[in-house]
Amino acid sequence: KAGVTQTPRYLIKTRGQQVTLSCSPISGHRSVSWYQQTPGQGLQFLFEYFSETQRNKGNFPGRFSGRQFSNSRSEMNVSTLELGDSALYLCASSLAAEDGGYTFGSGTRLTVV
Amino acid sequence: AQSVTQLDSQVPVFEEAPVELRCNYSSSVSVYLFWYVQYPNQGLQLLLKYLSGSTLVESINGFEAEFNKSQTSFHLRKPSVHISDTAEYFCAVSAPHQAGTALIFGKGTTLSVSS
Repeated sequence: KAGVTQTPRYLIKTRGQQVTLSCSPISGHRSVSWYQQTPGQGLQFLFEYFSETQRNKGNFPGRFSGRQFSNSRSEMNVSTLELGDSALYLCASSLAAEDGGYTFGSGTRLTVV
Repeated sequence: AQSVTQLDSQVPVFEEAPVELRCNYSSSVSVYLFWYVQYPNQGLQLLLKYLSGSTLVESINGFEAEFNKSQTSFHLRKPSVHISDTAEYFCAVSAPHQAGTALIFGKGTTLSVSS
């Protein structure tokens, strides 16, 4: 079966712009989680969605937001980009986050200049 | 809340040598434990996981990890490494049965295998 698909793979944006990243989970998976990976902070949890509802949120500013559609596809949006938002953004899908069965996508590499 | 400490940031070894990557966790509740591997410019691949049952879990490529509740550890071992095992390894923990639970990751261990 197809894995977790993240688009685009690479993005270059300018400070102050906004960006939208997309994640298509494995068919049948209803939970989508987002993580930010940077060399300094490592892997940090952004938020988790299940059946279009945000159930959990990490410690990130309100500039980071997300949503999930009825087909379980998810998007995350970052507004007013800062240089420090440059990172690899990873999406993980599972049947339900609490069942321990996470599958990660290849990520979107965002560079803010 | 949970936390994970990976005790070594870098582990250099020679090919065919044994290796152990150490991971300790802290949690006030029972946990699920994971090891993920990441190759350059790629996402995370699940290596193995402990959810319940046998405390020794194995992967298909020769890695194993043992859940030690008393020592709150989940160390990853391989008796003989290959060049292709060179990658970054992440230990992670989550709280089972909690809606929306997140994976909490350690800082990662870079395994460098040389000939």
